[in-house]
Amino acid sequence: SAVISQKPSRDICQRGTSLTIQCQVDSQVTMMFWYRQQPGQSLTLIATANQGSEATYESGFVIDKFPISRPNLTFSTLTVSNMSPEDSSIYLCSVEELAGVETQYFGPGTRLLVL
Amino acid sequence: KQEVTQIPAALSVPEGENLVLNCSFTDSAIYNLQWFRQDPGKGLTSLLLIQSSQREQTSGRLNASLDKSSGRSTLYIAASQPGDSATYLCAVNTRSGTYKYIFGTGTRLKVLA
Repeated sequence: SAVISQKPSRDICQRGTSLTIQCQVDSQVTMMFWYRQQPGQSLTLIATANQGSEATYESGFVIDKFPISRPNLTFSTLTVSNMSPEDSSIYLCSVEELAGVETQYFGPGTRLLVL
Repeated sequence: KQEVTQIPAALSVPEGENLVLNCSFTDSAIYNLQWFRQDPGKGLTSLLLIQSSQREQTSGRLNASLDKSSGRSTLYIAASQPGDSATYLCAVNTRSGTYKYIFGTGTRLKVLA
């Protein structure tokens, strides 16, 4: 199974600043995703990170606020721009493996607190 | 629009009990359904994945069933242990153009020693 790491694991940021979260996978994967989990809520998909092309965003999420890069098949970044306290969440990277049974694996998450 | 609901929202049981967690979804046109476990402050761990053509999957003390026509899945945990305490999430993959997983609201389980 894929092993996923995220950096940073947690951060406290001031409003108006930006934070870039990194996601590294130990094997090449086709599909990479970014989710948000707000306090006490379930997971919401932000976007699908596409290798070599622009990310596909879900309704309610825009590229200016959450720019995403995916330079290769093992790495992606999510930037949370111009942060406000409402952006305080856990941000999770996930991948879907297509070898055999399709299973989704998640990184440990980045806990973000915006003051 | 697919919606996923989990009942109960929270559950507290004594050690050794068998228990059932429920997941319901509004659109039966799913590709697969996955059960996850989330420990406090941590990411998600995949427990079981059921393809739309399957009725159930088993792993150790866990058994997940799927009734696509009625829009339901259950996760059965046998002989619960304190280490099972976590939040359990189900997610459906709709495959409607994108590889999109929609998550349920979660069941917070506490197993008392």
